[in-house]
Amino acid sequence: KAGVTQTPRYLIKTRGQQVTLSCSPISGHRSVSWYQQTPGQGLQFLFEYFSETQRNKGNFPGRFSGRQFSNSRSEMNVSTLELGDSALYLCASSLRDATDTQYFGPGTRLTVL
Amino acid sequence: AQKITQTQPGMFVQEKEAVTLDCTYDTSDPSYGLFWYKQPSSGEMIFLIYQGSYDQQNATEGRYSLNFQKARKSANLVISASQLGDSAMYFCAMREGMEYGNKLVFGAGTILRVKS
Repeated sequence: KAGVTQTPRYLIKTRGQQVTLSCSPISGHRSVSWYQQTPGQGLQFLFEYFSETQRNKGNFPGRFSGRQFSNSRSEMNVSTLELGDSALYLCASSLRDATDTQYFGPGTRLTVL
Repeated sequence: AQKITQTQPGMFVQEKEAVTLDCTYDTSDPSYGLFWYKQPSSGEMIFLIYQGSYDQQNATEGRYSLNFQKARKSANLVISASQLGDSAMYFCAMREGMEYGNKLVFGAGTILRVKS
């Protein structure tokens, strides 16, 4: 079974721009979570989507948003990029509920210049 | 307060020896899950092992075992017979009660280097 895929793998943007990252979960998985990883703050939870609804949200500004489609694929969007948004963005999928293991994708490395 | 604490920023181990990576956690929720993930330099997070708060026995997955001491709130990862490919960053993570959905809280990580 194919794993979690994320596109693009690398992205370079400039301040003020916006960016959209995509995540395709493992087939049959309905929950998708997003995490931001930086050297300074470590791994931080952004949000989780389940059945096209945001089920949980981390402590990030409103510039960070996401959505999930009926096929469970998810996108996250960051508007008005700041230098501090440079990070590895990881997507994870799990089967259904909160007792299932999350499996991560390879991540999208975003650089903001 | 830190929910997950990994006190070892870096560890060295000789190939074929066992190594223990420490993790302590803090929660007042009786229902929680503890995870260990491995992150090689490529960046992908690889799931290693899971321990539920109500599990009576320590979890094991091949060369990985989890030394779960509930009263001390510790969940140390033991890697037996270390291999060069085990060199990576290791993260301990916790998922609290059902109402938090699939939110994982991660520790700062431990870099493990396996020497030949």
